[in-house]
Amino acid sequence: DVKVTQSSRYLVKRTGEKVFLECVQDMDHENMFWYRQDPGLGLRLIYFSYDVKMKEKGDIPEGYSVSREKKERFSLILESASTNQTSMYLCASSPRGGTRAFFGQGTRLTVV
Amino acid sequence: GDSVTQMEGPVTLSEEAFLTINCTYTATGYPSLFWYVQYPGEGLQLLLKATKADDKGSNKGFEATYRKETTSFHLEKGSVQVSDSAVYFCALSDHRAGGTSYGKLTFGQGTILTVHP
Repeated sequence: DVKVTQSSRYLVKRTGEKVFLECVQDMDHENMFWYRQDPGLGLRLIYFSYDVKMKEKGDIPEGYSVSREKKERFSLILESASTNQTSMYLCASSPRGGTRAFFGQGTRLTVV
Repeated sequence: GDSVTQMEGPVTLSEEAFLTINCTYTATGYPSLFWYVQYPGEGLQLLLKATKADDKGSNKGFEATYRKETTSFHLEKGSVQVSDSAVYFCALSDHRAGGTSYGKLTFGQGTILTVHP
């Protein structure tokens, strides 16, 4: 069974902390994505990566950065967490040229 | 740029009722279209997809037809069950025939469906 695993289901962090969200996929996919899910807004793309060490900004990259040192792992970094980054974060992967994305179970982040 | 608009929810139905969730899109070319479902406490799962005009995607009794002329991909089910209660997302891909695709998805805002016994 294909699998995208996010390291935490729930996180509570303080304002100003540096936060790391980790995602691992076991399908040897080239493409990996970080989305943010908010009620009434659907999912919005933060960053994506189409190869190791390659990254591209999505629609809402401000306040975030990413790292992809290995093909199977894609990390989302909140450099200095703020309360408006409280949200559900979803990681996904897809094969090169493929049309189907596979999602992790999500990380619900609360910044206090 | 690409965009997806879904009917506003939430939608509340009785078991065995007919379901329609409207979805329209704006995009250049011929994107692939998807319906994803999110059950409580879980990530998104692909429900069905269509990759070209007039294609019908179907799964678990749900159907949607890719209508290029109306730029729509409405989700339907003839008889819903309590277990169908979830959030449904319409989405389109950056995939274009003959073009480069990264598999980026543009989502609608989601529709919450609640089915009562």
